[in-house]
Amino acid sequence: GIQVEQSPPDLILQEGANSTLRCNFSDSVNNLQWFHQNPWGQLINLFYIPSGTKQNGRLSATTVATERYSLLYISSSQTTDSGVYFCAACRSNDYKLSFGAGTTVTVRA
Amino acid sequence: GAGVSQSPRYKVAKRGQDVALRCDPISGHVSLFWYQQALGQGPEFLTYFQNEAQLDKSGLPSDRFFAERPEGSVSTLKIQRTQQEDSAVYLCASSLGGWGTRNTGELFFGEGSRLTVL
Repeated sequence: GIQVEQSPPDLILQEGANSTLRCNFSDSVNNLQWFHQNPWGQLINLFYIPSGTKQNGRLSATTVATERYSLLYISSSQTTDSGVYFCAACRSNDYKLSFGAGTTVTVRA
Repeated sequence: GAGVSQSPRYKVAKRGQDVALRCDPISGHVSLFWYQQALGQGPEFLTYFQNEAQLDKSGLPSDRFFAERPEGSVSTLKIQRTQQEDSAVYLCASSLGGWGTRNTGELFFGEGSRLTVL
């Protein structure tokens, strides 16, 4: 299946800082999603973004499909942003999402 | 329903017991997926249904794992003769589109069923 690599594996931020999470994928995609896994384990949808740029409040994401990467930006981080962020991609002509290993974000007050 | 619903949320089983995990997808969603998430890792694909048809079961770890979606809505993942290595969170997801369209579309996940095998 498609390979999905996320970096960095861990990120420690001071409250109010900005950060960028990166997702590289190995093939052309028809689906790319960013999730935040909450402390109870549920995957919360952040962005459905196979290409282009989207923004939702303090979060934004950009996918450059031709260069096979996606970026998730967190601005003015808050302690509630802590958790694991997953990128998942689906190869074109496929149907299943393959997940990266995640980035664990810790925001300190 | 409003979201994907899974039950039970937590299940403790003795080694060798059979377990059944239920998933109620978003109403009208054609595609349904099961994933397994071990501690500290990303979810791994288990199986895919389009309506009632199981199109892909390549991710099921062994023949002790069985999934069904008989009427194209609710799905059940059954694990027979559970082993300790089956301990994980089992996630169900659904999406509006089906295979054969341009893509299945955005996936929405349930809260998961956490299985602990003693």
